[in-house]
Amino acid sequence: AQKITQTQPGMFVQEKEAVTLDCTYDTSDQSYGLFWYKQPSSGEMIFLIYQGSYDEQNATEGRYSLNFQKARKSANLVISASQLGDSALYFCAMRTILFGNEKLTFGTGTRLTIIP
Amino acid sequence: GAGVSQSPRYKVAKRGQDVALRCDPISGHVSLFWYQQALGQGPEFLTYFQNEAQLDKSGLPSDRFFAERPEGSVSTLKIQRTQQEDSAVYLCASSKDMYNEQFFGPGTRLTVL
Repeated sequence: AQKITQTQPGMFVQEKEAVTLDCTYDTSDQSYGLFWYKQPSSGEMIFLIYQGSYDEQNATEGRYSLNFQKARKSANLVISASQLGDSALYFCAMRTILFGNEKLTFGTGTRLTIIP
Repeated sequence: GAGVSQSPRYKVAKRGQDVALRCDPISGHVSLFWYQQALGQGPEFLTYFQNEAQLDKSGLPSDRFFAERPEGSVSTLKIQRTQQEDSAVYLCASSKDMYNEQFFGPGTRLTVL
């Protein structure tokens, strides 16, 4: 079974500062993928970034980067130069890379509020 | 549109009624997923299709829940004899294949009175 833990229910960050959202995971699978999604108040889930378990470099997408530490089983999301529009609920998720077993397992989320 | 669409966006049902929720995935996406999201929680997996084949339905909470994707495109999630605990947002997602991210629809918010 897979498990995602997000220990920060809520965070307040000053605009333009960097923020790190924590995510730890547990799995016995060798090949897996880690995802971060953003859910604004409107409700849609927006894909942000992906890291494969065999990727040697940390993933980056614009202002988003994923700090992947495989030995620690952590996959923290770093947002640089935060903006007011970053205020949302953020979910860490994972899945096995195996045919027929593609479901995502989500954490409980971190609500990020950017303060002007 | 280019994204995943779901209808209706909002549904209010009286306890005991049957409901049907529709999902239109992104064209050409082979995999389709249904998730249930309770208020303040992360989405929980319900079921998953590869084309028309339902490969995993382990997350369906009871036999009142049924999903289909008969032609490998549009999918319908049906809930029979709705209960108050079925109140949640039902999210549909699709992906090109197992190596790509899942794209989510806007969800259907179901309220059972």
